[in-house]
Amino acid sequence: DSGVTQTPKHLITATGQRVTLRCSPRSGDLSVYWYQQSLDQGLQFLIHYYNGEERAKGNILERFSAQQFPDLHSELNLSSLELGDSALYFCASATATDTQYFGPGTRLTVL
Amino acid sequence: QQPVQSPQAVILREGEDAVINCSSSKALYSVHWYRQKHGEAPVFLMILLKGGEQKGHEKISASFNEKKQQSSLYLTASQLSYSGTYFCGTGVSGSARQLTFGSGTQLTVLP
Repeated sequence: DSGVTQTPKHLITATGQRVTLRCSPRSGDLSVYWYQQSLDQGLQFLIHYYNGEERAKGNILERFSAQQFPDLHSELNLSSLELGDSALYFCASATATDTQYFGPGTRLTVL
Repeated sequence: QQPVQSPQAVILREGEDAVINCSSSKALYSVHWYRQKHGEAPVFLMILLKGGEQKGHEKISASFNEKKQQSSLYLTASQLSYSGTYFCGTGVSGSARQLTFGSGTQLTVLP
């Protein structure tokens, strides 16, 4: 158990819908990263927040957005969902030494 | 740009050794190694920093060649539990906190 929590574990929805994925970092970690992992693929970096501020963006679609709240939990919002958005979404929280610890992930299925 | 991992897949018998390589075209500040079992979260193995020492614990160790921008992960006397996909994540100077992951090496250890 990495200490990072993600909810929900599974999410099934239809095309065109909007969903919100939630992540709570490890106690004391200020950084949250979001990644997308499609079937049997690598980890694609989406976005990084540090202490409530956006620090870096990766290959994140305009239909996706994220934020980090004062209590340091983060939410990833996915809208106008398409079949190709089906994937595992991981968040990771990072220590002061930049070691990233991954949460258990949310498996999103778009039908 | 994504680091290149080799080999893409390797099959071993218990007790055999394996080496997984990760190379980048960019000047690296750090290399992070993770192991992921199917459907689970990536688990942190170790981090190597520019100018740092070779890391290792038990039968898994790694090296970082700063001149060649390459890292290698060494697994000795492999166990069944070592099976999984190994990812390297690279941090480049100037944006060390953001990692770019390789496409992974699938390791299968047979009894």
